[in-house]
Amino acid sequence: DTEVTQTPKHLVMGMTNKKSLKCEQHMGHRAMYWYKQKAKKPPELMFVYSYEKLSINESVPSRFSPECPNSSLLNLHLHALQPEDSALYLCASSQPGQSDSYEQYFGPGTRLTVT
Amino acid sequence: SQKIEQNSEALNIQEGKTATLTCNYTNYSPAYLQWYRQDPGRGPVFLLLIRENEKEKRKERLKVTFDTTLKQSLFHITASQPADSATYLCALYSGTYKYIFGTGTRLKVLA
Repeated sequence: DTEVTQTPKHLVMGMTNKKSLKCEQHMGHRAMYWYKQKAKKPPELMFVYSYEKLSINESVPSRFSPECPNSSLLNLHLHALQPEDSALYLCASSQPGQSDSYEQYFGPGTRLTVT
Repeated sequence: SQKIEQNSEALNIQEGKTATLTCNYTNYSPAYLQWYRQDPGRGPVFLLLIRENEKEKRKERLKVTFDTTLKQSLFHITASQPADSATYLCALYSGTYKYIFGTGTRLKVLA
């Protein structure tokens, strides 16, 4: 199974809401990522978990809170977002350490709209 | 900081021709450089990886070159088809789980 799944596909939330994005992979990958992508722009790295520990936080505002409950799951908790946070949120996984396996597998993304 | 630029925002070519996309980077040379394809509203899909000690890599109709002197990678699609229309992203692995993506090139193959 070489698939990364993300739920929900679409999410509309108000600025006072609390919601969560979910990501799952069953490839045994031990690194998982959250990216944010605005229209016609490249994906921008937000967070990286390696072996269920937060390895990288790219100075993301605290209204975004990541969580890695186990090696297959990755969540992104959202609270008090701003309209400019509207974007496609992508989850990815990879298996670092293997000679030929630095490529990332991406999920289909969650299209988030903040009203 | 590392900066990655892809030659053009959009590229139109006729079906059957070879599409050539360029990825230029500054500063350090990465150990790996990758190319991804992204369709609208979807996540990127990995295509090819090339190492710094490899000059060229091929996969079916795809070919990637890596010139560490010029700090440039070229991505070729031969015998292009309308189904190849998508945005193509280069990405540099900068270590410590970090990938830096280029600005992307939107390729349109005209029938």
